[in-house]
Amino acid sequence: EVQLVESGGGLVQPGGSLRLSCATSGFTFRSYWMHWVRQAPGKGLVWVSRIDGGGSIINYADSAKGRFTISRDNAKNTLYLQMNSLRAEDTAVYYCARDLTFQHWGQGTLVTVSS
Amino acid sequence: QVVLTQSPSASASLGASVKLTCTLSSGHSGYAIAWHQQQPEKGPRYLMQLNSDGSHTKGGGIPDRFSGSSSGAERYLTISGLQSEDEAVYYCQTWGTGTVFGGGTKLTVL
Repeated sequence: EVQLVESGGGLVQPGGSLRLSCATSGFTFRSYWMHWVRQAPGKGLVWVSRIDGGGSIINYADSAKGRFTISRDNAKNTLYLQMNSLRAEDTAVYYCARDLTFQHWGQGTLVTVSS
Repeated sequence: QVVLTQSPSASASLGASVKLTCTLSSGHSGYAIAWHQQQPEKGPRYLMQLNSDGSHTKGGGIPDRFSGSSSGAERYLTISGLQSEDEAVYYCQTWGTGTVFGGGTKLTVL
């Protein structure tokens, strides 16, 4: 069974940093694109970033460029999102998802940016 | 950059059918999309990949009541025999140099 489990969310002050993790199991992690998607309270899904299976192709939404860094550890079957210079508007549930069509999603982790 | 347009809301009666639409922006009518369902207070769930020729591949456990079709730049999700648990927000999504989601359609089952 494919499983994606996010962790690392929490309350952080504006300007602070946070690293999200997405632990995976049930599939050959290194063979798949992985994504981060976020959803602000009461809003729709917004794609944040993606990384190919080998970690060599990375894309970001404009809102994430320069502040967020996606990475993966294929030995640990884990996806990461390093978020720096956090703003109030980054407050959201962050989901990880697998492959270009998002066939599998995690349950999400809540990030709250507030003083 | 491709843009996906969805109506904000739709409604239909219990047991009826409903057809939701996702429109691809000009010049992108050949794109495949995926449909996702998000029930209240839950994470999203993949429903299907839908190609420009109307062929579609559903996710595991997705009922036969859910089907997809295509016409030009329009991608459709049809839900037949509506049940109360079908009340959800439905998102379309596509991929290319990046990944894009539509704004979502909130379906109310009356």
